[in-house]
Amino acid sequence: LAKTTQPVSMDSYEGQEVNITCSHNNIATNDYITWYQQFPSQGPRFIIQGYKTKVTNEVASLFIPADRKSSTLSLPRVSLSDTAVYYCLVGGNTGGFKTIFGAGTRLFVKA
Amino acid sequence: EAGVAQSPRYKIIEKRQSVAFWCNPISGHATLYWYQQILGQGPKLLIQFQNNGVVDDSQLPKDRFSAERLKGVDSTLKIQPAKLEDSAVYLCASSLGAPAQYFGPGTRLTVL
Repeated sequence: LAKTTQPVSMDSYEGQEVNITCSHNNIATNDYITWYQQFPSQGPRFIIQGYKTKVTNEVASLFIPADRKSSTLSLPRVSLSDTAVYYCLVGGNTGGFKTIFGAGTRLFVKA
Repeated sequence: EAGVAQSPRYKIIEKRQSVAFWCNPISGHATLYWYQQILGQGPKLLIQFQNNGVVDDSQLPKDRFSAERLKGVDSTLKIQPAKLEDSAVYLCASSLGAPAQYFGPGTRLTVL
């Protein structure tokens, strides 16, 4: 399974765009990239997934370069409620997708 | 669509006692995961089921932890006997064969 590396923490202000980059140098051909958000005392919440190029949904965008060795989660115009831990996961389908959670990135959004 | 259900939400036991957690995944989701999350860390996969078969239990401490998924739907995770270091949140997640996993609220276990 491909391991991921993310910044331990990031600070931002309300209304700014936040980009969190994840490194996954040994990603395999059939691996997908998924991102999760976790608030205190809650289970992680799926945000977005992608395989290559760019994916956008109502919450975030995911940018994946051609070599797929990294990915960037982009959160547009963050608010205080976006303060959470964000996890980047990489995994492939071997009887259900197998993934490893790292320590995640703690995002602090300030007023 | 109902989410992943877990019970109980909180449990306090003394060391060497036994405890069991229950999970009901999203209807139709073939893959079920149990994670252990210690405060300040990311979730650690304990066991992964595909229907009622085990896909990965390499990180399950099999001398004290056991899990089953009868009929490929609900699942239970048991700890017997519990140790102080088992204090954590136990998360259940399910997926429909896609990368996205959907998590339940978790069970917070405190071992005294």
